[in-house]
Amino acid sequence: AQKITQTQPGMFVQEKEAVTLDCTYDTSDQSYGLFWYKQPSSGEMIFLIYQGSYDEQNATEGRYSLNFQKARKSANLVISASQLGDSAMYFCAMRERKDSWGKLQFGAGTQVVVTP
Amino acid sequence: GAVVSQHPSWVICKSGTSVKIECRSLDFQATTMFWYRQFPKQSLMLMATSNEGSKATYEQGVEKDKFLINHASLTLSTLTVTSAHPEDSSFYICSARDLGGGLNSPLHFGNGTRLTVT
Repeated sequence: AQKITQTQPGMFVQEKEAVTLDCTYDTSDQSYGLFWYKQPSSGEMIFLIYQGSYDEQNATEGRYSLNFQKARKSANLVISASQLGDSAMYFCAMRERKDSWGKLQFGAGTQVVVTP
Repeated sequence: GAVVSQHPSWVICKSGTSVKIECRSLDFQATTMFWYRQFPKQSLMLMATSNEGSKATYEQGVEKDKFLINHASLTLSTLTVTSAHPEDSSFYICSARDLGGGLNSPLHFGNGTRLTVT
């Protein structure tokens, strides 16, 4: 079964506007972590932001913020004031506490294109 | 900090040959490293979990005799694609978890290796 679901294969956003990338997850674990990564066309994976299942506040990191709705099992990424350099693939990922090695399970990704 | 070096960044090989990919954590120790495979425009699929000094744990459907993983030290893991075939052409990317990292510790990724088998 799919653990991480990203329903938006691609999105266009105008420069300086905000964009929300959807992510829902499925786990029976009470303790888990949610991560967002950015992958530019060059291929490297860049860590953006983290949200823990017990965190009461939504995570923020510069222009990135996470809209965490635990009851709905969603962890949407909001990028504010988009820049041309934000054009990339964005992946939502989850780590479950029950996985002792700490692997990350990734969603299918959302391709974001920022236009001038 | 937390740099993972992956080498080579790209390789072209002939069908039937073997290719070794190295993944090194440069400024931290990693008892656990993960190898992912990514097809164009698709997600990262976990192939195996590599643990220092022990056998790797492979995900279902991944041939362990084809994708040999060795994790000989706290800073080095290698993936060898044996008897490569064109269908093995893909982007392989390694990642490492900081020793003692908690639930909130991100995986640090190498820059990936693009393998093309002709």
